[in-house]
Amino acid sequence: KQEVTQIPAALSVPEGENLVLNCSFTDSAIYNLQWFRQDPGKGLTSLLLIQSSQREQTSGRLNASLDKSSGRSTLYIAASQPGDSATYLCMPNSYGKLTFGQGTILTVHP
Amino acid sequence: EAGVAQSPRYKIIEKRQSVAFWCNPISGHATLYWYQQILGQGPKLLIQFQNNGVVDDSQLPKDRFSAERLKGVDSTLKIQPAKLEDSAVYLCASSLLVGTSYEQYFGPGTRLTVT
Repeated sequence: KQEVTQIPAALSVPEGENLVLNCSFTDSAIYNLQWFRQDPGKGLTSLLLIQSSQREQTSGRLNASLDKSSGRSTLYIAASQPGDSATYLCMPNSYGKLTFGQGTILTVHP
Repeated sequence: EAGVAQSPRYKIIEKRQSVAFWCNPISGHATLYWYQQILGQGPKLLIQFQNNGVVDDSQLPKDRFSAERLKGVDSTLKIQPAKLEDSAVYLCASSLLVGTSYEQYFGPGTRLTVT
């Protein structure tokens, strides 16, 4: 059974800081790992999808890395902005078994 | 392209009543997922369809929950009878294929409150 842990559970930072959100998972036999953001009262928006053969994926100020063998992924957010405030969720896709972490609640204040 | 559509957006019912949610996936997406998200937690997969067949329903409480996907497109999720602990957001998602490299796209969700 896949278990997913996200650290920290919550993070509050001033605008402009570079951030690191961590995701660890117990079953390393995954197809891919997807990072999402969720705004209050809304559905999930896909941020990045890293294939199991990849080490990194970048989109704008976001960079996600994947170390499949150690069961870890990291989401880097550069130069954080108040608009980045949301809950960030990771989801490893272990051969059809889809398990989410509890999420990291990010607050970026001006 | 149009995203995943869900309705209703909000529903309030009393315990022991029944309720149904509807989902229309992105056109051409063969795989459809229903998730339950309780406040403060990550989404939990309830059921996964590939076309109109069930791939995984291991976490679906089958004594009260049912889901179908007729003609491999739209899907409905039903709860009968509802319990207080069913209060949650029900999310629908779709992707091109199951168990492969394709991204999942989510709808806005249906917020269910059971009183």
